[in-house]
Amino acid sequence: EDKVVQSPLSLVVHEGDTVTLNCSYEVTNFRSLLWYKQEKKAPTFLFMLTSSGIEKKSGRLSSILDKKELFSILNITATQTGDSAVYLCASGGNTPLVFGKGTRLSVIA
Amino acid sequence: DTAVSQTPKYLVTQMGNDKSIKCEQNLGHDTMYWYKQDSKKFLKIMFSYNNKELIINETVPNRFSPKSPDKAHLNLHINSLELGDSAVYFCASRMGNFNSPLHFGNGTRLTVT
Repeated sequence: EDKVVQSPLSLVVHEGDTVTLNCSYEVTNFRSLLWYKQEKKAPTFLFMLTSSGIEKKSGRLSSILDKKELFSILNITATQTGDSAVYLCASGGNTPLVFGKGTRLSVIA
Repeated sequence: DTAVSQTPKYLVTQMGNDKSIKCEQNLGHDTMYWYKQDSKKFLKIMFSYNNKELIINETVPNRFSPKSPDKAHLNLHINSLELGDSAVYFCASRMGNFNSPLHFGNGTRLTVT
């Protein structure tokens, strides 16, 4: 059975800190790993990773995939209170995406 | 607006009732999904459907059934609702090549009393 595990489950940091969120996966016929941010409503798409070692970057957020070790990290630099959310990692092969349980990030001023 | 839209946003009902949640996408995607999110924010796949194949998560009770009148719509019917069905249900869609991101609707919060 496909599995995605995220750590930590929750994290509290101060504004300006840098955080690293972890995601490991076991997926048959791996195709992609995705990161989402969920605040009050729908998860919103952040990144999709398919190749090892290629960093995807968007502003203060970046992510990278290691297909040999079967994990990905999501980095957020210079965190802001607006980064407070649940960050979801998902992965899949030829099947629907399987999600991890999320990391709840709280950024305090 | 191009989007995945679900109705209703909130649904409060009593045990034993039958209810439906509607989902429509105008993104031109060919695969649609239903996910259930529990109180701890864990998203679990229930169904995936394209015009060729319905894949059912075997853990989903057969009280739940998806119905797709066309490839832009995937509705969820739930019979004999139980307390444990209370959750947020998300509809999502993507192009069916598995290398594209999921786009989610805003969710339907179902409360069974």
